[in-house]
Amino acid sequence: GESVGLHLPTLSVQEGDNSIINCAYSNSASDYFIWYKQESGKGPQFIIDIRSNMDKRQGQRVTVLLNKTVKHLSLQIAATQPGDSAVYFCAENGLRTDSWGKLQFGAGTQVVVTP
Amino acid sequence: SAVISQKPSRDICQRGTSLTIQCQVDSQVTMMFWYRQQPGQSLTLIATANQGSEATYESGFVIDKFPISRPNLTFSTLTVSNMSPEDSSIYLCSVVGGQETQYFGPGTRLLVL
Repeated sequence: GESVGLHLPTLSVQEGDNSIINCAYSNSASDYFIWYKQESGKGPQFIIDIRSNMDKRQGQRVTVLLNKTVKHLSLQIAATQPGDSAVYFCAENGLRTDSWGKLQFGAGTQVVVTP
Repeated sequence: SAVISQKPSRDICQRGTSLTIQCQVDSQVTMMFWYRQQPGQSLTLIATANQGSEATYESGFVIDKFPISRPNLTFSTLTVSNMSPEDSSIYLCSVVGGQETQYFGPGTRLLVL
């Protein structure tokens, strides 16, 4: 069945460095992936998404890469700032059937930005 | 992006009681969902709140425990019934907005004693 998992539970990054958060998925037919940021005491905040017809998508200081060959996606944060400290989740959207919109979340990666 | 509010933001409840959580969106949306996030864990989908019909529940969740209402396209409620300490979680509603992006509310933090 479908599954989404993260490689590292905690990532410690020095301020100003780039962060890379990884995520693996098992269903080769999956076609839509989303990254969320969750700060303490808040709900998940949409960061960026990518569809399976793309390999890369860029936003403000963030880039998502999708490697369909190995079923892997990553989130890169450039010049990490203290405000980037949070838990980051990748989520897989249901295939274009009656499961569309039903997100399946990975375990999450805690990013800790150190001065 | 859709602006979502939830009430209450947090609550402490006694076991055996029920709590109803409200979710309000600032615009009409077709798709609305309820998720649970247990302490220190990821999010799990509870159900899809369908406007004008019964909610669609995921495996492991039943209507008797988590009744859901969706009277219109901007509002939904989730009730956690006959609560036990295992129900202590964050409950989140989400909606699918423009460009099929899914947005989440701030969550309701529930502690059951």
